[in-house]
Amino acid sequence: GENVEQHPSTLSVQEGDSAVIKCTYSDSASNYFPWYKQELGKGPQLIIDIRSNVGEKKDQRIAVTLNKTAKHFSLHITETQPEDSAVYFCAAMRAGTALIFGKGTTLSVSS
Amino acid sequence: DAGVTQSPTHLIKTRGQHVTLRCSPISGHKSVSWYQQVLGQGPQFIFQYYEKEERGRGNFPDRFSARQFPNYSSELNVNALLLGDSALYLCASSSGTSRGTEAFFGQGTRLTVV
Repeated sequence: GENVEQHPSTLSVQEGDSAVIKCTYSDSASNYFPWYKQELGKGPQLIIDIRSNVGEKKDQRIAVTLNKTAKHFSLHITETQPEDSAVYFCAAMRAGTALIFGKGTTLSVSS
Repeated sequence: DAGVTQSPTHLIKTRGQHVTLRCSPISGHKSVSWYQQVLGQGPQFIFQYYEKEERGRGNFPDRFSARQFPNYSSELNVNALLLGDSALYLCASSSGTSRGTEAFFGQGTRLTVV
């Protein structure tokens, strides 16, 4: 079955810097890759996603890139702000199956 | 529009008891999935239901069961609770299962087994 590895497990940046979180997946049939942000005491919030027919997607300060050949995808956050501090999860899914999550990255943005 | 709602938000149970967790999906969504999230880990898939039928099951013991009702709400039941069942139980709502569609999570039910 699918296995998703996520790195790093923790990431500390200064406000205004960029943050990059990387994930690899094992199932070449996976075709949907969402990213979630989870704040303390809350459920995961979908922040951006990408499908396997697209190489890059951007939404304001957040972008995701996908390399199908290498089976990895990354989340890029530019101009980080303290409110970006949270746990971020990547996930992978093939059609008709469930999301498989990475173990999460705790992002801390200090001002 | 209301998002995914789960009840209760917190629950304390004793080992051996059973528990029922409830989820109401986003209006118009026909698929509900349940996930277990233990501290420091990503959510792990338990069940997926679509149009009241089970469409997927994760690697969880038979003590875990679920169902989906005609209004697409869902219940997760756990029997013979163990200490290791303590976790955040998340419900995710999506429009369907035929392709990768966005899944939206509720705030979760924090279950503590003592």
